[in-house]
Amino acid sequence: AQSVTQLDSQVPVFEEAPVELRCNYSSSVSVYLFWYVQYPNQGLQLLLKYLSGSTLVESINGFEAEFNKSQTSFHLRKPSVHLSDTAEYFCAVNAGGTSYGKLTFGQGTILTVHP
Amino acid sequence: SQTIHQWPATLVQPVGSPLSLECTVEGTSNPNLYWYRQAAGRGLQLLFYSVGIGQISSEVPQNLSASRPQDRQFILSSKKLLLSDSGFYLCAAGRNTEAFFGQGTRLTVV
Repeated sequence: AQSVTQLDSQVPVFEEAPVELRCNYSSSVSVYLFWYVQYPNQGLQLLLKYLSGSTLVESINGFEAEFNKSQTSFHLRKPSVHLSDTAEYFCAVNAGGTSYGKLTFGQGTILTVHP
Repeated sequence: SQTIHQWPATLVQPVGSPLSLECTVEGTSNPNLYWYRQAAGRGLQLLFYSVGIGQISSEVPQNLSASRPQDRQFILSSKKLLLSDSGFYLCAAGRNTEAFFGQGTRLTVV
């Protein structure tokens, strides 16, 4: 079984400041790691994923996350946030194989960007 | 690319009434399908998943049931809703290492 802990339920930050959203996981098997973003009253959109290879993965809108196996972490970072980044962010793990989509989610982190 | 359709977008139902939420998938065949629930202030909880027509696995005991009558159709049902069934219900399809989500149905049981 897997579990995911997002260490911050809410993160307020000013526009153009850097941000880090923390995620730790536990699993007895190798997992795939994901970050999803959810805007109010909408579904989840995949932000980025780690499957294998380079431990640093990037999204098209400036977010990046680094897989750290020894610390079992997958923290999400952005060097300079925009007002439009205000949303809830979910870290998730999946055991892979034939279970794509069977995700274990963290509790979510609400990122609020202030002008 | 895959598209997940869910309806209705919002629903207000009285306690004890039945429920039927529908999810259809476009752009892929034979996907794994999932129902998740997001309760207020909580993360997402997997309720059901299906690897094929008529094959349903339940992750948590509850007042809800699921069915998959066609390859790309997934239905969430209840015979009698409880107040605790309120939440945001998301359908997802899993394929090629990713999960794609629908826009969700916000259910309020009153």
